[in-house]
Formats: sequence, structure tokens, C-alpha cells
Amino acid sequence: AQTVTQSQPEMSVQEAETVTLSCTYDTSENNYYLFWYKQPPSRQMILVIRQEAYKQQNATENRFSVNFQKAAKSFSLKISDSQLGDTAMYFCAFMMGQAGTALIFGKGTTLSVSS
Amino acid sequence: EAGVTQSPTHLIKTRGQQATLRCSPISGHTSVYWYQQALGLGLQFLLWYDEGEERNRGNFPPRFSGRQFPNYSSELNVNALELEDSALYLCASSPTVYHSGNTIYFGEGSWLTVV
Repeated sequence: AQTVTQSQPEMSVQEAETVTLSCTYDTSENNYYLFWYKQPPSRQMILVIRQEAYKQQNATENRFSVNFQKAAKSFSLKISDSQLGDTAMYFCAFMMGQAGTALIFGKGTTLSVSS
Repeated sequence: EAGVTQSPTHLIKTRGQQATLRCSPISGHTSVYWYQQALGLGLQFLLWYDEGEERNRGNFPPRFSGRQFPNYSSELNVNALELEDSALYLCASSPTVYHSGNTIYFGEGSWLTVV
């Protein structure tokens, strides 16, 4: 069975700093997708970034980028120039490559950004 | 374009009663997923429907059930409510199951409190 592990329950950072959230996963599959979702206090889950396992290039979305290490089964999220609005719980998620499989989530990392 | 909508926002039930939660997917999406987010337990996959059929279910007892209607909306039923069923229930949708790696979009959730 696939598992997703986020080893940092909580992290704190100041505005404008850079922070990296860790995620590791376990799978025997070769074709899969990885996601980072953000859940602010409003509880709305928002997609931050996604990565296809067959792509070597790390995904980037504005201030958010990932460091995808397939051999190490690691998928960390880097947030540059942190903003107060980045305060949220961040979930790493895994989806197998077969059509129509559900997301498997890690337990989340609570990120607090202070001024 | 409207996102995933869920109702009710909050629901309070007594132990032993039944609860029904509703979800409307994004227009054009045929897959609907239900997740339970209980305090300290992260997101647990409950059920997945596509084209009116239950495609997969997580490790939950049979008193958690649901259905998907011809317009692709869905409802989640929880029978014989227990105190530990108190949680945020998130609905999500994605395009047709036949395309792997589809991004899943979430609604704002329904809070169920069992007293």
C-alpha cells in the first residue's frame, strides 16, 4: 500500500523568508502523481502544485517550487518570500498513475508565517 | 465557474441518528470523492463515485454509504452516528476517471458534530 509521510507537524517562519516542507512517500509504482495542497483556516483545500513522476523537471508555481527526488521518494515544497497569507496546513498527496485512483494524503504540516 | 459546493455547512446530530451530506461537483466533472478529516487524523479517504457507480471505498464501516445521481451530484449518508464521526467531511471532484492524474478539486466541507 502507498503511504505518505510528513515528518514536520509544525513550522514557523517570518515574512519574506524561505521555508521548506518535507514529504516522503512509499510506493512500488513507477507511474504516479504528487501534489501539495494548502488548507487555510477557512478549511478550503487549495491545490498549490503538482508533479508528474515521469517528469524530471521540478514543478514551479510562482513562489512555490518542489524538489522531487524520485529515487529517494522525496517531494519537498519550497515557499519563497513567505507571506502572511501562506499561513495554513499543507498536505502532501500521492496518486497512482492508473486512471481513476484516489488521493492519499500525509498528515499535514501546519505552517505559521509571522510579521 | 462554480466550484465544488457542499451542504449543509454545519450539522449537529445526536448519537444513533442518521446524517446526510450533499455535494455538487464542478460542471463537467463526473468523479466525486468523499474524505473525512477528523482532528489529529488527517484526511481519510471514504468513498469515490464515478458515472453513478461506487468505484472504491476506504477503510470505513458499512454505515458510511452514499450514492451519485445522474447529474453527478452525490450524497454521503452516515447511519447510527457515533461520537467519533464528528469531523469535517470534504467532497472533491475531478474530470472523467478515464484520464489518469486528474487534479482533484475540493469543496469547503461540511462540519458534522455528533452529541
